[in-house]
Amino acid sequence: GQNIDQPTEMTATEGAIVQINCTYQTSGFNGLFWYQQHAGEAPTFLSYNVLDGLEEKGRFSSFLSRSKGYSYLLLKELQMKDSASYLCAVRDRGNDYKLSFGAGTTVTVRA
Amino acid sequence: EAQVTQNPRYLITVTGKKLTVTCSQNMNHEYMSWYRQDPGLGLRQIYYSMNVEVTDKGDVPEGYKVSRKEKRNFPLILESPSPNQTSLYFCASNDGTPNSYEQYFGPGTRLTVT
Repeated sequence: GQNIDQPTEMTATEGAIVQINCTYQTSGFNGLFWYQQHAGEAPTFLSYNVLDGLEEKGRFSSFLSRSKGYSYLLLKELQMKDSASYLCAVRDRGNDYKLSFGAGTTVTVRA
Repeated sequence: EAQVTQNPRYLITVTGKKLTVTCSQNMNHEYMSWYRQDPGLGLRQIYYSMNVEVTDKGDVPEGYKVSRKEKRNFPLILESPSPNQTSLYFCASNDGTPNSYEQYFGPGTRLTVT
């Protein structure tokens, strides 16, 4: 099984940077995902990491360290629209179709 | 427009009354999945399907059934709903190829069982 931990809430100021950490303990690992979910809406895909290192995509970057069971999502130049829940999810090595999600981190951006 | 649709979006029902939540995708995706989302617990996988007539249990399958008779549809069936199945339900799909990783989620179905 998977055990995935991320902070419950974070608050930051518009224009700032926020880093959301995710740690996982798994029986098998085949990739880590980050999703964004605005209140009352469906999750939308942000990033996927399967190899160690940093993946940058515009204002969002995601980092993975497989040896440490650790990932983070970095949000730069925060905007009010970035206020949302951010979900970390791990794919099972033995089964590409099984995704386990963390409980999510609610980020509030203040003016 | 490529999308995953779910119906109904909102449903209030009573304990024991069988219900079905439909899910349909128009992207010819092989893989489909159902999740429930509860406060503090995140998204938990109920069932998934790798292709027509191929389904398997996720992490929380008890009290649910699914079927996959056609590629585009993956209904979730609650034979005898109970209050602990009150939740927000999401259907998702992806194309199922080895390098595919983006899941497309439906808009969600908010179910209340009294």
